[in-house]
Amino acid sequence: DGGITQSPKYLFRKEGQNVTLSCEQNLNHDAMYWYRQDPGQGLRLIYYSQIVNDFQKGDIAEGYSVSREKKESFPLTVTSAQKNPTAFYLCASNPGTYGEQYFGPGTRLTVT
Amino acid sequence: DQQVKQNSPSLSVQEGRISILNCDYTNSMFDYFLWYKKYPAEGPTFLISISSIKDKNEDGRFTVFLNKSAKHLSLHIVPSQPGDSAVYFCAASGRTGNQFYFGTGTSLTVIP
Repeated sequence: DGGITQSPKYLFRKEGQNVTLSCEQNLNHDAMYWYRQDPGQGLRLIYYSQIVNDFQKGDIAEGYSVSREKKESFPLTVTSAQKNPTAFYLCASNPGTYGEQYFGPGTRLTVT
Repeated sequence: DQQVKQNSPSLSVQEGRISILNCDYTNSMFDYFLWYKKYPAEGPTFLISISSIKDKNEDGRFTVFLNKSAKHLSLHIVPSQPGDSAVYFCAASGRTGNQFYFGTGTSLTVIP
């Protein structure tokens, strides 16, 4: 049963702590993405990776970091430098050519 | 700078009638367009796409129209059903197909 998994569904952290969000896909897709969604806003691109060991910043990369050591995994770390980390985070993948993106179920991060 | 815009935050339609969701874009390099449907606290799911070589694409009750000269696309849902109530995002990508730009979404409510 192919798809994208994100864990956990809900995550709570104290301000000043780094937190890593998991994203795994078994679709054999080359490209993976991290988006952030805030109320009343669209999906904003944080980072994307087109191939293992390579990734590019999106529009709002400040305060975030990623790694792509394996094709199926693209974890996102929200660092303490991110000023407004509370949001809904979505991971996506696509085959690397034209085609729709497949999204995971999302992680709701709350930082207090 | 928002390159993909959905100017109607919400839309209400009676069951059985047509729903028309609109999307405008500013980047003339975009040549692949997609519509996604999203329920709260879930990831978006792909609905339908269109490439710039076409001006219309149909899939069951869903039809997407593309007007390249106006940089405008629309999604028609006929007939609308209560289960169509969700937030709809349009998205666009350029020739590489590797980075997608999303609108802010339109919340559709289909009234039984």
